[in-house]
Amino acid sequence: EDQVTQSPEALRLQEGESSSLNCSYTVSGLRGLFWYRQDPGKGPEFLFTLYSAGEEKEKERLKATLTKKESFLHITAPKPEDSATYLCAVQAYVGNQFYFGTGTSLTVIP
Amino acid sequence: DAGITQSPRHKVTETGTPVTLRCHQTENHRYMYWYRQDPGHGLRLIHYSYGVKDTDKGEVSDGYSVSRSKTEDFLLTLESATSSQTSVYFCAISALQETQYFGPGTRLLVL
Repeated sequence: EDQVTQSPEALRLQEGESSSLNCSYTVSGLRGLFWYRQDPGKGPEFLFTLYSAGEEKEKERLKATLTKKESFLHITAPKPEDSATYLCAVQAYVGNQFYFGTGTSLTVIP
Repeated sequence: DAGITQSPRHKVTETGTPVTLRCHQTENHRYMYWYRQDPGHGLRLIHYSYGVKDTDKGEVSDGYSVSRSKTEDFLLTLESATSSQTSVYFCAISALQETQYFGPGTRLLVL
């Protein structure tokens, strides 16, 4: 069964304290892995798409990496404005449907 | 929000009444999706559309129907709303059935 598990559920960091969020997945043929940011009361905002193991994408303080079993979202020297819920999703070749994790709620304390 | 609007943004209704949510896009994307988001669950696909008048069911389609008569509009209808359909509903669009872009959401409360 295709599924996505994100950990931890919640993470509190001091400003400047780097860390990583994990997205573990099982899918019958990965077409793509997607990271989104969601602020309270808003829709998910697209961050990255990764297609194959070894691929990396960067945007400001965020870097996403992909292996055959999991993806990491690395946050370097976070700022309070990075506080949000980060969602991971995978798309399978069969059926083309997206499967979303339940997210990691990140709080960055000044 | 990538040229996506949803209406209404908030709605309170009573059990048994019909409800229609609208998603409107200005990007001319072929694919449109309806999701619901509930605590403890990831976003779950209700229905999607791969063209005008072409739709298919998602993971949690029971109790919902959709219609797409124009490229830019995708309607989600709850034929007879139930309390279990209280949720936040998101519309998403995609050009090539890959990266999806989401609208701002509709908060629905069924009393």
